[in-house]
Amino acid sequence: QVRLQESGPRLVKPSQTLSLTCTVSRAFISSGGYYWGWIRQHPGKGLEWIGNIYVSESTFYNPSLKSRSTISVDTSNNQFSLNLTSVTAADTALYFCARGRTGCFESWGQGTLVTVSS
Amino acid sequence: SYVLIQPPSVSVAPGKTARVTCGGDSIGSLTVHWYQQKPGQAPVLVISFDKDRPSGIPERFSGSNSGNTAALTISRVEAGDEADYYCQVWDGSGNYVFGPGTKVTVL
Repeated sequence: QVRLQESGPRLVKPSQTLSLTCTVSRAFISSGGYYWGWIRQHPGKGLEWIGNIYVSESTFYNPSLKSRSTISVDTSNNQFSLNLTSVTAADTALYFCARGRTGCFESWGQGTLVTVSS
Repeated sequence: SYVLIQPPSVSVAPGKTARVTCGGDSIGSLTVHWYQQKPGQAPVLVISFDKDRPSGIPERFSGSNSGNTAALTISRVEAGDEADYYCQVWDGSGNYVFGPGTKVTVL
């Protein structure tokens, strides 16, 4: 069973860049057949898709976050990452990484809470 | 962008049937997936491709999708089914859209 684990700073200052990494174990990103995504959840709210990356490094982003989002993959370390620039308090959320296939997200990390505050 | 509509809450007595709806324009032409999220936990995929149950999901969970409404049905509800449930679609334009979620309360 694939495992995903988010890591990165828990506190980010306004206007700075939020950077998170998802480490994948028990599966290889390079093996293909899946996409790797980021989803966030504002406190007490619903789920919001941020974007996906494929092993080909093709990326797709939520139009509302596209201008500030970059997802990249590091197959040598079996990781993929999210950078979200120019953050504000509205970016405070629980960030999940996930693996998906054919339209859904089959496996999720446990999530990491990122707070944007000075 | 595509919008999904879910009731904020559904209450059900143990042993009864809970039905959570997910509305969207011609949602029947899309494929719907359902996730269960318990407090403090990550979402878990409970129904994929409208009606398929991933490995390990009880047969009590079933799904349907037609017209403008998709539905998740939980039969013989147990206390452990109390959770938030989210529907999700891929809108065909590269976007993954989640519904606002429904809190299922077991009375």
